[in-house]
Amino acid sequence: DAGVTQSPTHLIKTRGQQVTLRCSPKSGHDTVSWYQQALGQGPQFIFQYYEEEERQRGNFPDRFSGHQFPNYSSELNVNALLLGDSALYLCASSFGDMGQPQHFGDGTRLSIL
Amino acid sequence: QKEVEQDPGPLSVPEGAIVSLNCTYSNSAFQYFMWYRQYSRKGPELLMYTYSSGNKEDGRFTAQVDKSSKYISLFIRDSQPSDSATYLCAYHSGTYKYIFGTGTRLKVLA
Repeated sequence: DAGVTQSPTHLIKTRGQQVTLRCSPKSGHDTVSWYQQALGQGPQFIFQYYEEEERQRGNFPDRFSGHQFPNYSSELNVNALLLGDSALYLCASSFGDMGQPQHFGDGTRLSIL
Repeated sequence: QKEVEQDPGPLSVPEGAIVSLNCTYSNSAFQYFMWYRQYSRKGPELLMYTYSSGNKEDGRFTAQVDKSSKYISLFIRDSQPSDSATYLCAYHSGTYKYIFGTGTRLKVLA
């Protein structure tokens, strides 16, 4: 049973560039959430996608956008990268309603130079 | 006031010790309570998930929830070096986002 998979594992970008991160949910899951985890901090919620729509958004600027595809996989896009965007980006998947637990992938480590 | 407070540690214990990890929260709307374990360079791994006050046990792990005091704990019995990781508490209030603590780093010494 494949868990949540994310790609790429690591990424290095420079300020002002744009980046796309990808996530495939755990088999049987239809909901994808994205989190940002800075070093030494807990994950911070960016947004959640369900039925190809953004269902809820955290306190992140519009530079952060996403998409969910019919096969439930998802992308996170970040435009106009800032040094402060350097972090581990985590994807979590779950099934259906809010009562079901979220399962995380191993993340994409994004470094901004 | 932060929504979730968690002692960052690090916490060092000898192998075989009982470990107690704690979180407090301020939002009485929180309904679901989770504990995740995160190894270095890995994503968080779900350990415990509960929505009621009281204890929930799974092997060497026991989660304790006290909604009246807004306090949750994770106990690890017979701790092993492989338990060395960062432990994150998390909550949600019936919305879709999880609120995480900052994590407690645990080191179990052989």
